[in-house]
Amino acid sequence: DTGVSQDPRHKITKRGQNVTFRCDPISEHNRLYWYRQTLGQGPEFLTYFQNEAQLEKSRLLSDRFSAERPKGSFSTLEIQRTEQGDSAMYLCASRRSSTNYGYTFGSGTRLTVV
Amino acid sequence: AQTVTQSQPEMSVQEAETVTLSCTYDTSESDYYLFWYKQPPSRQMILVIRQEAYKQQNATENRFSVNFQKAAKSFSLKISDSQLGDAAMYFCALYNQGGKLIFGQGTELSVKP
Repeated sequence: DTGVSQDPRHKITKRGQNVTFRCDPISEHNRLYWYRQTLGQGPEFLTYFQNEAQLEKSRLLSDRFSAERPKGSFSTLEIQRTEQGDSAMYLCASRRSSTNYGYTFGSGTRLTVV
Repeated sequence: AQTVTQSQPEMSVQEAETVTLSCTYDTSESDYYLFWYKQPPSRQMILVIRQEAYKQQNATENRFSVNFQKAAKSFSLKISDSQLGDAAMYFCALYNQGGKLIFGQGTELSVKP
């Protein structure tokens, strides 16, 4: 059990560029979640997967955001045409759907849009 | 809508003393879980303690305990014998059968030596 890995840890991008983040969950965890956390706030739910199926998307996830989890393993979160308001920490978490707790969080990707 | 509210943006405690962090929530579900998470400066969220709503007994984990008042929808965290390593952001979170966590705004705890 190596935990949840997120890459990169930090990303600085110019406004209008596209960025992609990766999350590698714990291997036996079939559920994977993405959250966004702005400075001084709690994490806000974006979307989650059960295996490769994306089961729910928040209204926060605009058309510029897309997430995938091919083969039910790692997941990617892409933001197109980044805006300054996208600057935040993007957190990934995973768990087994058979438990009602037991989330394991990654260390996050800090995005700064300049 | 389900909400979680933490009304204390910052709290401070002297080392070895006791501190209580407050949390209130709102949900129409009867079956849910409540959590306290700790987020140190390294930013990885760590589970501190959890409470199942159907359990009347308050959860305890070593120096950490909760006061769960279901009717009042209140869920406070008590940290006893505070240590320097307890300094962090603390988040209260609600989980229901919808499968996702809903977090409060957080309380930044500082521990004075």
